[in-house]
Amino acid sequence: DAEITQSPRHKITETGRQVTLACHQTWNHNNMFWYRQDLGHGLRLIHYSYGVHDTNKGEVSDGYSVSRSNTEDLPLTLESAASSQTSVYFCASSAGRPDQPQHFGDGTRLSIL
Amino acid sequence: QKEVEQDPGPLSVPEGAIVSLNCTYSNSAFQYFMWYRQYSRKGPELLMYTYSSGNKEDGRFTAQVDKSSKYISLFIRDSQPSDSATYLCAMSSSRTGTASKLTFGTGTRLQVTL
Repeated sequence: DAEITQSPRHKITETGRQVTLACHQTWNHNNMFWYRQDLGHGLRLIHYSYGVHDTNKGEVSDGYSVSRSNTEDLPLTLESAASSQTSVYFCASSAGRPDQPQHFGDGTRLSIL
Repeated sequence: QKEVEQDPGPLSVPEGAIVSLNCTYSNSAFQYFMWYRQYSRKGPELLMYTYSSGNKEDGRFTAQVDKSSKYISLFIRDSQPSDSATYLCAMSSSRTGTASKLTFGTGTRLQVTL
């Protein structure tokens, strides 16, 4: 079965370090998304991509970057981790048709001390 | 003010009850409306999707959209303990609908008790 996997599931790091969260999907979807989920804010879009070499900023993109070198992967990088970036991060993908759902991974719980 | 408002709950109901979950929004450009269900420590999964105004029914679930009032609802009939989860509304103004950028509500936590 096709799936979307995120790694690691949990990570603890220190402020100022660079952190990369992995997202890999086997749906062969063109569209991929990164969200963060925080209490009181729901899911907020960080970055998204509509295909290889395409990346776009979302609502809360400051301090994050992505690159899309193939269809399957969209890694999210925190250039210099800050405590405000402690959150649960979700990756999602979709086929690109208007009525097709976004399929979500099970999230990465990131703590920055 | 947030574009999408949703009561965070928690909402506790007995098994078999009818549950009503709601969201209001301010952006009149939203055309696609979704409800996602999220179990603890899992990613959201799409439950219902509607385009523009109207009702949509799928088993025990009914989604309603009232664009004139900027109000959407999800009704769950004969609620079960397995329905205990957080329910997130989501909306999109893009012509690519559910496949594009989504704006989410904060989620309502539902607990169905025996």
